[in-house]
Amino acid sequence: EVQLLESGGDLVQPGGSLRLSCAASGFTFSNYAMTWVRQPPGKGLEWVSTINNRGDETYYADSVKGRFTVSRDNSKNTLYLQMNSLTVEDPAVYYCVKGALSGDNWGQGTLVTVSS
Amino acid sequence: EIVLTQSPGTVSLSPGERATLSCRASQSVTRYNLAWYQQKPGQAPGLLIYSASSRATGIPDRFSGSGSGTDFTLTITRLEPEDFAVYYCQHYGSPSWTFGQGTKVEIK
Repeated sequence: EVQLLESGGDLVQPGGSLRLSCAASGFTFSNYAMTWVRQPPGKGLEWVSTINNRGDETYYADSVKGRFTVSRDNSKNTLYLQMNSLTVEDPAVYYCVKGALSGDNWGQGTLVTVSS
Repeated sequence: EIVLTQSPGTVSLSPGERATLSCRASQSVTRYNLAWYQQKPGQAPGLLIYSASSRATGIPDRFSGSGSGTDFTLTITRLEPEDFAVYYCQHYGSPSWTFGQGTKVEIK
């Protein structure tokens, strides 16, 4: 059974940083691209970033480009999202998603709050 | 950038009724890059349909997807109590994803 377990969400001040992690199990992690999708409270879904299976190709939404960095450690079956210069536009539940074309499997999400 | 517009925003139906949800793209898209998700309150989204009309693993056959070009439809033939949720369409734009704003299916 595919499992994706996000962690790292927290309350952070504007301008602060946070690193999210996603521990994957139940599939061969190194064979799949992975994606981060976020959902602000009470709102819809927004694509954030995708990384290919090897970790050498990364893609970002314009809203986070230059501030967020996606990476992965295939030896640890773990996906990461380093978030810097957080703003009041970034609060959301952040989901780790298996797949590049569509989201085959989703984690339960981790909540990021930005407030002074 | 492709924009996906879902309609209606909210639909009120009774269990056993048929639901027809629309997703319209701002320009023609390949059907292989169109997916549908279901999201229940407090839960993560789950994949229902990929490639416009293929059901994901374990999805009951009362869910079906159709369409091509700019117009896509998700149909739920007979609503079960567990089907009342929010539904999103999604397009893969190599490499970005675009989501529709969602359609809420609520109990009448």
